[in-house]
Amino acid sequence: SSELTQDPAVSVALGQTVRITCQGDSLRSYYGGWYQQKPGQAPILVIYDKDTRPSGIPDRFSGSSSGNTTSLTIAGAQAEDEADYYCNSRDSSGYRWVFGGGTKLTVL
Amino acid sequence: QMQLVQSGPEVKKPGTSMKVSCKASGFTFSNSAMQWVRQARGQRLEWIGWIVVGSGNTDYAQMFQERVTITRDMSTSTVYMDLSSLRSEDTALYYCAADPQYCSGGSCYVRKFDSWGQGTLVTVSS
Repeated sequence: SSELTQDPAVSVALGQTVRITCQGDSLRSYYGGWYQQKPGQAPILVIYDKDTRPSGIPDRFSGSSSGNTTSLTIAGAQAEDEADYYCNSRDSSGYRWVFGGGTKLTVL
Repeated sequence: QMQLVQSGPEVKKPGTSMKVSCKASGFTFSNSAMQWVRQARGQRLEWIGWIVVGSGNTDYAQMFQERVTITRDMSTSTVYMDLSSLRSEDTALYYCAADPQYCSGGSCYVRKFDSWGQGTLVTVSS
């Protein structure tokens, strides 16, 4: 079983703000990151090091962290944001990595 | 421009081995780190392991520890992932991903795995 836990599905109305969360003990020690994956496509990194956006990622995507939880917030969700989102961090060993189970985001 | 090009789809028999390649270009291969991730149809991403290209050091997820080997060929800027004792549950799309600046500015640590290959579909079937 995954050491990072995500809600399987979340929905948001178009233009509204949504937060997707990820919990795990290793998040107390290591930064998390987030990948977006659309059907038939490779994952795209949208947040790394807890709250840093790679170039080209819209600023409506932001990341935060508290305790054992890391979060991805999309402010003003767009139709094109509908996708699966995976959190990612080191595992409890610190030498390996792990993905969360993924959250399917639906934009209504 | 950074690019990772993976080898083509494979069909394998149970009990055999597979070897997927990932050829890098557009960045300094020796400064990078590469990871392998797989995804069965409709399932979540699953981390397999990674290699620090310059040192050749590797680490693997526990569930693959006994069956996987990740290597690199510096002369061709290619990383390989070998998985043995294949079973039907290994049927998946296998991705490589690079952190091209793992070693940068005199220090080495994971910055971001932000460059991904196109994926290689491996089907294990009798």
